Amino acid sequence: QKEVEQNSGPLSVPEGAIASLNCTYSDRGSQSFFWYRQYSGKSPELIMFIYSNGDKEDGRFTAQLNKASQYVSLLIRDSQPSDSATYLCAASDSGGYQKVTFGIGTKLQVIP
Amino acid sequence: KAGVTQTPRYLIKTRGQQVTLSCSPISGHRSVSWYQQTPGQGLQFLFEYFSETQRNKGNFPGRFSGRQFSNSRSEMNVSTLELGDSALYLCASNLGTDNQGTLNTEAFFGQGTRLTVV
Repeated sequence: QKEVEQNSGPLSVPEGAIASLNCTYSDRGSQSFFWYRQYSGKSPELIMFIYSNGDKEDGRFTAQLNKASQYVSLLIRDSQPSDSATYLCAASDSGGYQKVTFGIGTKLQVIP
Repeated sequence: KAGVTQTPRYLIKTRGQQVTLSCSPISGHRSVSWYQQTPGQGLQFLFEYFSETQRNKGNFPGRFSGRQFSNSRSEMNVSTLELGDSALYLCASNLGTDNQGTLNTEAFFGQGTRLTVV
């Protein structure tokens, strides 16, 4: 059974701080990794994807991938109350979206 | 550009009935994936369709089925409903990979269909 593990939280950080969200995956064949943000009552929206070991930055968001450790993380710099949401980590065993396994999601609360 | 449209938004069914949910992807997108989301299990992959073919299937019983039409619209059907089928059903639309395996990474979710089985 392929699994993606996340701490369900909640993770509370003060406004302006760095939020660090972590995820591990069990399938070494996983090639693509995604972070989605889901606001309460809304559908998930893609924030970032990463395929290669190392860091990938997009604005306030940085995704980190370590395939040897089977570890993916998302850093959110200068956290804002509007970042309060559930963050879903996902892994795909192909190059794209044919079959994606999601983690349970980490609830992030940014305290003003 | 219209987004992913799922209908209906809400459904209440009784045990033993069957239900059909619909998903219209973004124009030009050929891949549609279906997911079940529950508080305890999170998002679980049901199946994915590309050009009317089911390419992959998750670990759900045969009561869950789907299909895709030539216009890329997709339907999923759940027969003999059980209480445990109560969930938010989401579909995601994606351009899909071409024959050379060129990757498209952006998937867009619809607003979902909230199914309640009583």
